[in-house]
Amino acid sequence: AQTVTQSQPEMSVQEAETVTLSCTYDTSESDYYLFWYKQPPSRQMILVIRQEAYKQQNATENRFSVNFQKAAKSFSLKISDSQLGDAAMYFCAYRSADAGGTSYGKLTFGQGTILTVHP
Amino acid sequence: DGGITQSPKYLFRKEGQNVTLSCEQNLNHDAMYWYRQDPGQGLRLIYYSQIVNDFQKGDIAEGYSVSREKKESFPLTVTSAQKNPTAFYLCASTPGPPIYGYTFGSGTRLTVV
Repeated sequence: AQTVTQSQPEMSVQEAETVTLSCTYDTSESDYYLFWYKQPPSRQMILVIRQEAYKQQNATENRFSVNFQKAAKSFSLKISDSQLGDAAMYFCAYRSADAGGTSYGKLTFGQGTILTVHP
Repeated sequence: DGGITQSPKYLFRKEGQNVTLSCEQNLNHDAMYWYRQDPGQGLRLIYYSQIVNDFQKGDIAEGYSVSREKKESFPLTVTSAQKNPTAFYLCASTPGPPIYGYTFGSGTRLTVV
């Protein structure tokens, strides 16, 4: 079974600065997708960014970018020019693309990292 | 607008009672999921359904039951067999192919009183 680990329970950053959230995962599969979700105080889960394992280019969405290291099974999220609205819990998640596997389609989450943004 | 509706937002259960959490989607998504969220443990999968009239146990199915009689509906029943039901419950759906993440509902907070 796949596992996702977020080793930073809490992180903080000053407004306008850059912060990186870490995520590692364990899998024996070669085809999968990785996601970062944001959960603000409203508790609504919001998709931030996704990465396909077969794509070497790191995904970018405005101020959010990832550093995907497939061999190291690492998938970190970088938030540039941090804003007060970025304060939330962030979850890293893994989704198998192996149609023959028992985990196909299921999303496995890490424990989450609480991000605080200081004005 | 399309989305997922979970109700109620807050739910209180007495010891020994069964309660049902509602999840409805109008996105025409095939697959639906129920997750439980506890502090410090992330989201854990309870049950999921990839097609009408079919569903599978997730990682923590004991004490829960589901049904999938309609594509748009996936209710979760928390039975009296669930010893520690106080948690935040999230319902999600997806069109199917793994490139898509999930769309989530706004959640139900269940408290045992």
